[in-house]
Amino acid sequence: DAGVTQSPTHLIKTRGQHVTLRCSPISGHKSVSWYQQVLGQGPQFIFQYYEKEERGRGNFPDRFSARQFPNYSSELNVNALLLGDSALYLCASRHRLADAYEQYFGPGTRLTVT
Amino acid sequence: AQSVAQPEDQVNVAEGNPLTVKCTYSVSGNPYLFWYVQYPNRGLQFLLKYITGDNLVKGSYGFEAEFNKSQTSFHLKKPSALVSDSALYFCAVRDISSNTGKLIFGQGTTLQVKP
Repeated sequence: DAGVTQSPTHLIKTRGQHVTLRCSPISGHKSVSWYQQVLGQGPQFIFQYYEKEERGRGNFPDRFSARQFPNYSSELNVNALLLGDSALYLCASRHRLADAYEQYFGPGTRLTVT
Repeated sequence: AQSVAQPEDQVNVAEGNPLTVKCTYSVSGNPYLFWYVQYPNRGLQFLLKYITGDNLVKGSYGFEAEFNKSQTSFHLKKPSALVSDSALYFCAVRDISSNTGKLIFGQGTTLQVKP
């Protein structure tokens, strides 16, 4: 079975630009979460979507937005990029929202802002 | 506020020796605890979880973790380390206060297994 997939693998953007990151969850998983992992730190929660609705938002500015599509794939959008947005962006999927279910992570998208 | 702490930035162990990676948590109520491993330029791989039941949880690749409620700890262990176990390990707790399924991660511990 295919795991969580993310695209692109790497990208380089300039300050002030906009970026869209994509994620496809494991087949049958309806929940997608996004995390930001800055070098040397643990992942930080950005968003969670379930059944195409936003179910949670972390402490990130409004420049960050996301959505989930009918096929449960998801996009993370970041506007007006800052140098501090450089990080590994991880997508995770989960079968259901119940707390007992573990999340499975994709390989991530490495974003570099120059 | 819920949190996890990994007190060691790095753990060094010789191949074949037992290893322990430490994690302590702070939550209100019963904790849902997880361990993930991250290899270079890769995402996080799920190792094991504690939800309820036996305090000793067995996971992938021969890893296990011991839940200790009195010490609020959830240390990751393996009886015999392999060089291929060298990676970055994260302990995480489910944020049950937000009902989002959000995971709160520790800072990570780099495990170095030397031949």
